[in-house]
Amino acid sequence: GAVVSQHPSRVICKSGTSVKIECRSLDFQATTMFWYRQFPKQSLMLMATSNEGSKATYEQGVEKDKFLINHASLTLSTLTVTSAHPEDSSFYICSAREKAAQYFGPGTRLLVL
Amino acid sequence: GQQLNQSPQSMFIQEGEDVSMNCTSSSIFNTWLWYKQEPGEGPVLLIALYKAGELTSNGRLTAQFGITRKDSFLNISASIPSDVGIYFCAGPNNAGNNRKLIWGLGTSLAVNP
Repeated sequence: GAVVSQHPSRVICKSGTSVKIECRSLDFQATTMFWYRQFPKQSLMLMATSNEGSKATYEQGVEKDKFLINHASLTLSTLTVTSAHPEDSSFYICSAREKAAQYFGPGTRLLVL
Repeated sequence: GQQLNQSPQSMFIQEGEDVSMNCTSSSIFNTWLWYKQEPGEGPVLLIALYKAGELTSNGRLTAQFGITRKDSFLNISASIPSDVGIYFCAGPNNAGNNRKLIWGLGTSLAVNP
């Protein structure tokens, strides 16, 4: 149980384009999902908390207009990186909360050329 | 704010050896979580601890929730090459409703066959 999927697993795009990443909880409902970013050899950095049916809560320093989050159902949250630039290249990971634990997706490797 | 201090930062051991790592905090946590992350993957939940003093095993892994609720350790017995990865401790933030995770900086484990 407690499986989270993420799609796509990797994406390469041109600078200026937008990229959408999906996060799904497959066997449980998640009212709260989280989006993280991770740079090589570093810990996960929380970007935002996604709440079903309401606006996401962004961490300090994360631009909400650049990283659009939609949590339209209890099993799906999406992160859209708008007008992506090379500095947005990173490993993006989502998680879904069940009770006090969080279960993570496999991550999305984004490379912006 | 809440912080987790994880040690050691890295370990290089021989196959078959036992491993121990720990996390400490200056503030109380109500839940301790131990994750393992392999390169290019999202973290996988190994053990969740919900009660002070709790000792829980998952195969060759054993973790304990300190009685003061300010520390936890993870032991791996008879290590094998596939134990290689980065191990993170984490605990839900006690403030607010979203319960975002506070992370340790990770313990990188290398196993020499």
